[in-house]
Amino acid sequence: DTEVTQTPKHLVMGMTNKKSLKCEQHMGHRAMYWYKQKAKKPPELMFVYSYEKLSINESVPSRFSPECPNSSLLNLHLHALQPEDSALYLCASSQGGGVRQPQHFGDGTRLSIL
Amino acid sequence: GESVGLHLPTLSVQEGDNSIINCAYSNSASDYFIWYKQESGKGPQFIIDIRSNMDKRQGQRVTVLLNKTVKHLSLQIAATQPGDSAVYFCAETGGTSYGKLTFGQGTILTVHP
Repeated sequence: DTEVTQTPKHLVMGMTNKKSLKCEQHMGHRAMYWYKQKAKKPPELMFVYSYEKLSINESVPSRFSPECPNSSLLNLHLHALQPEDSALYLCASSQGGGVRQPQHFGDGTRLSIL
Repeated sequence: GESVGLHLPTLSVQEGDNSIINCAYSNSASDYFIWYKQESGKGPQFIIDIRSNMDKRQGQRVTVLLNKTVKHLSLQIAATQPGDSAVYFCAETGGTSYGKLTFGQGTILTVHP
């Protein structure tokens, strides 16, 4: 079991739906991340939150909207997604503050867009 | 540009053999390197890390070697077991890009009983 919990594990949605992915950690980490991973490819960074503020947006389309309500929670709001957005969405957390410590990943949400 | 890559996309070994997975990186500002293991249906799992002020670091059955001169990283797994079968990713970060983890393409390790 990982210390980063992601829900739901699987999500199927239509292109006109609105849904949210959720991520939670209780390790006291102050940096949280969203990654997108396509089959047989490495994870690709989407967003970084540091101390609950968005610090990096890797030019992600606006149909993906991140939110960090508090230091333990990270959401990814989805709206009007395209079939090519089907992927594994991974959340990670790390100590933050520039400390050289590893990012810890959840097991992801497998997203399918119909 | 910045990139982290692997020399071999697949590695097949017999149980009990030692495995070596290689990784090249190009960002000279990178100062922190991580190896992850990803099993099917799971997220990447942290294995071992190394900072740029070190050349070698050992864990339980794993050793990471860093050669900054040629920008090369390797993961050695001793006495490889079937449970080690997975995709292995190297990742790097550092400098002004710290927090932005860049992954290599991954190596599929298959361990035969």
